[in-house]
Amino acid sequence: GESVGLHLPTLSVQEGDNSIINCAYSNSASDYFIWYKQESGKGPQFIIDIRSNMDKRQGQRVTVLLNKTVKHLSLQIAATQPGDSAVYFCAENSYNQGGKLIFGQGTELSVKP
Amino acid sequence: NAGVTQTPKFRVLKTGQSMTLLCAQDMNHEYMYWYRQDPGMGLRLIHYSVGEGTTAKGEVPDGYNVSRLKKQNFLLGLESAAPSQTSVYFCASSSHQPPYGYTFGSGTRLTVV
Repeated sequence: GESVGLHLPTLSVQEGDNSIINCAYSNSASDYFIWYKQESGKGPQFIIDIRSNMDKRQGQRVTVLLNKTVKHLSLQIAATQPGDSAVYFCAENSYNQGGKLIFGQGTELSVKP
Repeated sequence: NAGVTQTPKFRVLKTGQSMTLLCAQDMNHEYMYWYRQDPGMGLRLIHYSVGEGTTAKGEVPDGYNVSRLKKQNFLLGLESAAPSQTSVYFCASSSHQPPYGYTFGSGTRLTVV
């Protein structure tokens, strides 16, 4: 069936370094991809999104890259800070399926001071 | 602007008991969703609604019922709670047009003993 999964369940980085979180998806019909951040005890929060007609999108300290050839999505966080410590989820959506998002399992990012 | 509000935040049930989780949104969103989150499983869609008076099954609907009598509210019911329903439940709402941009509530932690 359709699935979105992450390569690494945990990632530990030094404060100030760049972080890269990866995600593989299986539905080639997906049109829209989103990254969410979830801090302990809170609901997921939107970080950045990208449509399938793009291969890169930048936000504040974050960049999402989409490689449709290999069905791969990544989130890059520049100059990682302790406040970036959280679980990060990728999610995919197909416009012809309405608003339903399919989430990956999540990657826990730990930032060492 | 409260966004998405879930009540209660915590609940302990005995096996066989019933309860209703309430989700309320003040963003005039058409779409609403209920997800459950278990360790290592990511977010799994239970039920969703694309408008007042309509509901549909998601990925893991068994043991749950929902109602959307008012546009701003989406109720999740457990008729006879089971230990397997111990989880954190998240409600989300979104626009009916892409990009859907989910807004999540802060979650309800349910323990069934």
